[in-house]
Amino acid sequence: DGGITQSPKYLFRKEGQNVTLSCEQNLNHDAMYWYRQDPGQGLRLIYYSQIVNDFQKGDIAEGYSVSREKKESFPLTVTSAQKNPTAFYLCASSPVGSLTEAFFGQGTRLTVV
Amino acid sequence: AQKITQTQPGMFVQEKEAVTLDCTYDTSDQSYGLFWYKQPSSGEMIFLIYQGSYDEQNATEGRYSLNFQKARKSANLVISASQLGDSAMYFCAMREGDTGGFKTIFGAGTRLFVKA
Repeated sequence: DGGITQSPKYLFRKEGQNVTLSCEQNLNHDAMYWYRQDPGQGLRLIYYSQIVNDFQKGDIAEGYSVSREKKESFPLTVTSAQKNPTAFYLCASSPVGSLTEAFFGQGTRLTVV
Repeated sequence: AQKITQTQPGMFVQEKEAVTLDCTYDTSDQSYGLFWYKQPSSGEMIFLIYQGSYDEQNATEGRYSLNFQKARKSANLVISASQLGDSAMYFCAMREGDTGGFKTIFGAGTRLFVKA
């Protein structure tokens, strides 16, 4: 079945450590996105990529980094520079140039202690 | 400026009744798409319904319908015959095709509580 896989579902890290969240899709979508969601809030765009080896900052990119070496994969690294990293992170994908819906992974809940 | 505005942080509805969740949007693009997603407590984002800016008829998907009023820039979600399983967060979203780079932006959400 086609879909988006995020791993792990829950992640705990110590303050000051970098951590990488995985996102893989087999939908053959060119565009991929990372969102952050805080409790009771909406989704805020961190980074997005419309093609391999290219990506753009979203609204809250500071303290995060991404790579897009393969069409299927768009990992997000939460660096020690991110002041409040504890949040729910959602990855999504969609066809480029289309106004139809984005497909989401199950999310990763990151807790920094 | 807020591109997607959902003014109802929380809504209550009696089981089997209909409920309308409000959404207004702001764009200067002619080509855009509007969406509603449901997010249960598990956190997954479930796509409910889509309306294209050029679609003249309101979208419907089962118990969900989107009341699209282009001139007023509103895209309200109507859920008919509410069920207990409809209790969740609901997000309105938009993708802009001209200036927005096709990325999806979201409103703050409305939490719906269905009472038995």
